[in-house]
Amino acid sequence: SQQGEEDPQALSIQEGENATMNCSYKTSINNLQWYRQNSGRGLVHLILIRSNEREKHSGRLRVTLDTSKKSSSLLITASRAADTASYFCATDENSGYALNFGKGTSLLVTP
Amino acid sequence: DAGVIQSPRHEVTEMGQEVTLRCKPISGHDYLFWYRQTMMRGLELLIYFNNNVPIDDSGMPEDRFSAKMPNASFSTLKIQPSEPRDSAVYFCASNPGAGNEQFFGPGTRLTVL
Repeated sequence: SQQGEEDPQALSIQEGENATMNCSYKTSINNLQWYRQNSGRGLVHLILIRSNEREKHSGRLRVTLDTSKKSSSLLITASRAADTASYFCATDENSGYALNFGKGTSLLVTP
Repeated sequence: DAGVIQSPRHEVTEMGQEVTLRCKPISGHDYLFWYRQTMMRGLELLIYFNNNVPIDDSGMPEDRFSAKMPNASFSTLKIQPSEPRDSAVYFCASNPGAGNEQFFGPGTRLTVL
Protein backbone atom coordinates (compact mmCIF):
# COMPACT_ATOMS: atom_id res chain seq x y z
CA SER A 1 0.00 0.00 0.00
CA GLN A 2 1.25 3.48 -0.76
CA GLN A 3 1.80 5.73 2.19
CA GLY A 4 3.64 8.78 0.94
CA GLU A 5 1.81 11.17 -1.34
CA GLU A 6 3.81 13.85 -3.09
CA ASP A 7 2.55 17.26 -4.06
CA PRO A 8 2.60 18.68 -6.65
CA GLN A 9 2.49 15.86 -9.20
CA ALA A 10 4.43 18.02 -11.65
CA LEU A 11 6.54 21.13 -11.29
CA SER A 12 8.19 23.25 -13.97
CA ILE A 13 10.73 25.93 -13.10
CA GLN A 14 13.66 27.78 -14.61
CA GLU A 15 17.29 27.23 -13.78
CA GLY A 16 18.34 29.12 -10.71
CA GLU A 17 14.92 28.98 -9.08
CA ASN A 18 14.13 26.92 -6.00
CA ALA A 19 11.93 23.85 -6.18
CA THR A 20 9.80 22.68 -3.28
CA MET A 21 8.08 19.32 -3.13
CA ASN A 22 5.87 18.08 -0.35
CA CYS A 23 5.07 14.64 0.98
CA SER A 24 2.30 13.54 3.30
CA TYR A 25 1.99 10.17 4.98
CA LYS A 26 -0.53 8.39 7.13
CA THR A 27 1.03 6.32 9.91
CA SER A 28 3.91 6.64 12.36
CA ILE A 29 7.36 6.29 10.90
CA ASN A 30 10.94 5.67 11.98
CA ASN A 31 12.38 7.60 9.08
CA LEU A 32 11.47 9.22 5.79
CA GLN A 33 13.64 9.12 2.71
CA TRP A 34 13.75 11.03 -0.55
CA TYR A 35 14.84 9.46 -3.82
CA ARG A 36 15.41 10.78 -7.32
CA GLN A 37 14.71 8.90 -10.54
CA ASN A 38 16.00 10.07 -13.87
CA SER A 39 14.01 8.94 -16.88
CA GLY A 40 14.57 5.26 -17.61
CA ARG A 41 16.87 4.75 -14.65
CA GLY A 42 16.71 3.31 -11.15
CA LEU A 43 16.08 5.32 -8.01
CA VAL A 44 18.93 7.09 -6.30
CA HIS A 45 18.85 7.89 -2.60
CA LEU A 46 19.08 11.59 -1.77
CA ILE A 47 18.56 12.01 1.93
CA LEU A 48 17.17 10.24 5.00
CA ILE A 49 15.59 12.06 7.92
CA ARG A 50 14.73 10.27 11.14
CA SER A 51 11.53 10.80 13.07
CA ASN A 52 13.36 12.69 15.84
CA GLU A 53 14.90 15.14 13.38
CA ARG A 54 13.19 18.25 12.07
CA GLU A 55 15.53 19.42 9.35
CA LYS A 56 18.44 18.07 7.38
CA HIS A 57 20.72 19.50 4.70
CA SER A 58 22.79 17.91 1.98
CA GLY A 59 24.40 20.25 -0.52
CA ARG A 60 21.60 22.12 -2.29
CA LEU A 61 18.96 19.90 -0.67
CA ARG A 62 17.02 20.76 2.43
CA VAL A 63 14.50 18.38 3.94
CA THR A 64 12.09 19.13 6.74
CA LEU A 65 9.92 16.74 8.69
CA ASP A 66 6.85 17.57 10.75
CA THR A 67 5.68 14.40 12.47
CA SER A 68 2.69 16.16 14.04
CA LYS A 69 1.38 16.94 10.57
CA LYS A 70 2.77 13.75 9.05
CA SER A 71 4.44 15.74 6.30
CA SER A 72 7.84 16.42 4.82
CA SER A 73 9.20 18.83 2.25
CA LEU A 74 12.19 18.69 -0.06
CA LEU A 75 13.70 21.98 -1.18
CA ILE A 76 16.21 22.10 -4.01
CA THR A 77 17.92 25.47 -4.13
CA ALA A 78 19.44 27.10 -7.21
CA SER A 79 18.07 24.39 -9.48
CA ARG A 80 19.92 23.16 -12.55
CA ALA A 81 18.75 21.46 -15.72
CA ALA A 82 20.39 18.29 -14.40
CA ASP A 83 17.91 18.27 -11.51
CA THR A 84 15.17 17.35 -13.99
CA ALA A 85 13.83 14.05 -12.67
CA SER A 86 11.07 12.49 -10.62
CA TYR A 87 11.35 12.78 -6.86
CA PHE A 88 9.84 10.27 -4.46
CA CYS A 89 9.38 10.19 -0.74
CA ALA A 90 9.39 6.85 1.03
CA THR A 91 8.39 5.88 4.54
CA ASP A 92 8.98 2.77 6.58
CA GLU A 93 5.70 2.56 8.54
CA ASN A 94 7.59 1.71 11.75
CA SER A 95 8.80 -1.60 10.37
CA GLY A 96 12.19 -0.16 9.54
CA TYR A 97 12.54 -2.58 6.70
CA ALA A 98 10.31 -2.20 3.67
CA LEU A 99 9.61 1.21 2.19
CA ASN A 100 6.36 2.61 0.88
CA PHE A 101 6.79 5.05 -1.97
CA GLY A 102 4.53 7.81 -3.16
CA LYS A 103 3.82 8.37 -6.85
CA GLY A 104 6.40 11.11 -7.08
CA THR A 105 6.77 14.69 -8.24
CA SER A 106 7.98 15.19 -11.79
CA LEU A 107 10.36 18.17 -11.84
CA LEU A 108 11.32 19.93 -15.06
CA VAL A 109 14.07 22.54 -14.91
CA THR A 110 14.44 24.55 -18.09
CA PRO A 111 17.58 26.50 -19.00
CA ASP B 1 31.33 -2.48 -5.87
CA ALA B 2 29.33 -2.53 -9.09
CA GLY B 3 26.08 -1.79 -7.33
CA VAL B 4 22.91 -3.83 -7.68
CA ILE B 5 22.91 -5.74 -10.95
CA GLN B 6 19.77 -6.76 -12.77
CA SER B 7 19.29 -8.81 -15.89
CA PRO B 8 17.94 -8.66 -18.43
CA ARG B 9 17.51 -4.90 -18.85
CA HIS B 10 14.69 -5.38 -21.32
CA GLU B 11 12.43 -8.34 -21.87
CA VAL B 12 9.71 -8.70 -24.46
CA THR B 13 7.64 -11.84 -24.32
CA GLU B 14 4.27 -13.17 -25.36
CA MET B 15 1.36 -13.79 -23.07
CA GLY B 16 1.56 -17.17 -21.43
CA GLN B 17 5.33 -17.42 -21.47
CA GLU B 18 7.47 -17.78 -18.37
CA VAL B 19 9.61 -14.80 -17.45
CA THR B 20 12.57 -14.86 -15.07
CA LEU B 21 14.16 -11.69 -13.79
CA ARG B 22 17.50 -11.79 -12.01
CA CYS B 23 19.19 -9.69 -9.37
CA LYS B 24 22.59 -9.60 -7.72
CA PRO B 25 22.56 -7.42 -4.59
CA ILE B 26 25.48 -5.47 -3.22
CA SER B 27 27.86 -7.73 -1.33
CA GLY B 28 27.26 -7.62 2.40
CA HIS B 29 23.70 -6.34 2.17
CA ASP B 30 21.35 -8.49 4.21
CA TYR B 31 18.10 -7.22 2.72
CA LEU B 32 16.86 -7.59 -0.83
CA PHE B 33 13.68 -6.02 -2.19
CA TRP B 34 11.69 -6.50 -5.39
CA TYR B 35 9.54 -3.60 -6.62
CA ARG B 36 7.30 -3.06 -9.62
CA GLN B 37 6.74 0.37 -11.18
CA THR B 38 3.85 1.33 -13.43
CA MET B 39 2.34 4.66 -14.37
CA MET B 40 -0.97 3.72 -12.82
CA ARG B 41 0.18 2.25 -9.52
CA GLY B 42 3.58 3.84 -9.01
CA LEU B 43 6.28 1.91 -7.20
CA GLU B 44 4.97 -1.15 -5.36
CA LEU B 45 6.87 -3.45 -3.05
CA LEU B 46 6.39 -7.05 -4.12
CA ILE B 47 8.52 -9.02 -1.67
CA TYR B 48 11.61 -8.66 0.46
CA PHE B 49 14.19 -11.03 1.89
CA ASN B 50 16.40 -10.92 4.94
CA ASN B 51 19.43 -13.20 4.91
CA ASN B 52 17.93 -15.09 1.94
CA VAL B 53 14.65 -15.75 3.77
CA PRO B 54 11.40 -14.23 2.41
CA ILE B 55 9.98 -11.96 5.10
CA ASP B 56 6.97 -10.32 3.50
CA ASP B 57 5.43 -11.37 0.21
CA SER B 58 2.08 -9.69 0.73
CA GLY B 59 2.73 -7.46 -2.26
CA MET B 60 3.04 -10.32 -4.72
CA PRO B 61 0.00 -9.82 -6.91
CA GLU B 62 -0.98 -13.44 -7.40
CA ASP B 63 0.23 -17.01 -7.54
CA ARG B 64 1.71 -16.47 -10.97
CA PHE B 65 4.50 -14.55 -9.26
CA SER B 66 7.23 -16.28 -7.26
CA ALA B 67 10.59 -15.15 -5.92
CA LYS B 68 13.58 -17.02 -4.60
CA MET B 69 16.92 -16.18 -3.08
CA PRO B 70 19.04 -19.34 -3.10
CA ASN B 71 22.10 -17.54 -1.77
CA ALA B 72 23.23 -14.12 -0.58
CA SER B 73 24.32 -13.00 -4.03
CA PHE B 74 21.41 -13.98 -6.23
CA SER B 75 17.65 -13.64 -6.41
CA THR B 76 15.05 -14.36 -9.07
CA LEU B 77 11.54 -13.13 -9.70
CA LYS B 78 9.52 -15.45 -11.88
CA ILE B 79 6.19 -14.86 -13.59
CA GLN B 80 4.45 -17.92 -14.97
CA PRO B 81 2.34 -17.56 -17.02
CA SER B 82 2.88 -13.92 -17.93
CA GLU B 83 0.02 -11.60 -18.86
CA PRO B 84 -0.05 -8.19 -20.60
CA ARG B 85 -0.95 -6.49 -17.31
CA ASP B 86 2.39 -7.62 -15.91
CA SER B 87 4.11 -5.15 -18.22
CA ALA B 88 6.09 -2.82 -15.97
CA VAL B 89 9.58 -1.96 -14.83
CA TYR B 90 10.79 -4.32 -12.11
CA PHE B 91 13.41 -3.07 -9.71
CA CYS B 92 15.60 -4.91 -7.28
CA ALA B 93 17.10 -3.07 -4.33
CA SER B 94 19.30 -4.00 -1.40
CA ASN B 95 20.44 -2.47 1.87
CA PRO B 96 22.58 -3.47 4.82
CA GLY B 97 19.82 -3.27 7.39
CA ALA B 98 16.74 -1.60 8.73
CA GLY B 99 16.62 2.17 8.71
CA ASN B 100 19.16 2.52 5.92
CA GLU B 101 18.94 3.79 2.39
CA GLN B 102 18.12 1.30 -0.31
CA PHE B 103 20.34 0.87 -3.34
CA PHE B 104 18.41 0.25 -6.52
CA GLY B 105 19.37 -1.63 -9.62
CA PRO B 106 18.73 -0.18 -13.10
CA GLY B 107 15.53 -2.18 -13.48
CA THR B 108 14.14 -4.64 -16.01
CA ARG B 109 11.58 -3.28 -18.42
CA LEU B 110 9.13 -6.10 -19.11
CA THR B 111 6.69 -6.00 -21.99
CA VAL B 112 4.18 -8.81 -22.31
CA LEU B 113 2.42 -8.83 -25.67
